[in-house]
Amino acid sequence: QKEVEQDPGPLSVPEGAIVSLNCTYSNSAFQYFMWYRQYSRKGPELLMYTYSSGNKEDGRFTAQVDKSSKYISLFIRDSQPSDSATYLCAMNSNSGYALNFGKGTSLLVTP
Amino acid sequence: EAQVTQNPRYLITVTGKKLTVTCSQNMNHEYMSWYRQDPGLGLRQIYYSMNVEVTDKGDVPEGYKVSRKEKRNFPLILESPSPNQTSLYFCASSQTGVGSEKLFFGSGTQLSVL
Repeated sequence: QKEVEQDPGPLSVPEGAIVSLNCTYSNSAFQYFMWYRQYSRKGPELLMYTYSSGNKEDGRFTAQVDKSSKYISLFIRDSQPSDSATYLCAMNSNSGYALNFGKGTSLLVTP
Repeated sequence: EAQVTQNPRYLITVTGKKLTVTCSQNMNHEYMSWYRQDPGLGLRQIYYSMNVEVTDKGDVPEGYKVSRKEKRNFPLILESPSPNQTSLYFCASSQTGVGSEKLFFGSGTQLSVL
């Protein structure tokens, strides 16, 4: 079983919709949870970072971590066509030298 | 501007012809890493380096070599490329590579091995 599971989509939503992206994981040692956004033919860029459990909000984006369920989410409010990209969850332990990435979810926001 | 620079952006080659993909960062980062990205498989780590002259295997190191002679450079070497190494490659760097460190990625190298 892969340590990080993420539904690849694709996910297509109309502009203005609320988007929910999710990942599950199996390694209870993971403490750091991140979301990277990757536009077509570009390298991933860090979008959100959360330590341990809880919520973090940044503008239209909210990251949630539920360590008891080993489940993380990214919510995008008032989605825009410019949000169309692949979203990768990533996580790491205190001592890990390699981020563990999900396979990424492809999101298309249509005008 | 802080950045990770990879070259070339696109590369088409033939089986068995040695090639090198260069990677350079200007942030004085100690940690550098190579990933390959394939449809349905996501990002997989090939090699990483925690400092000059210190390298270690990632998840998929077979068929690849790396070297870290200088802090800023981390080239990826394919000594005898094969078609199954056709992929999108990313170099990345961060300060120490541990825990919550933000990874900075290059723009990618699309490699096709015929």
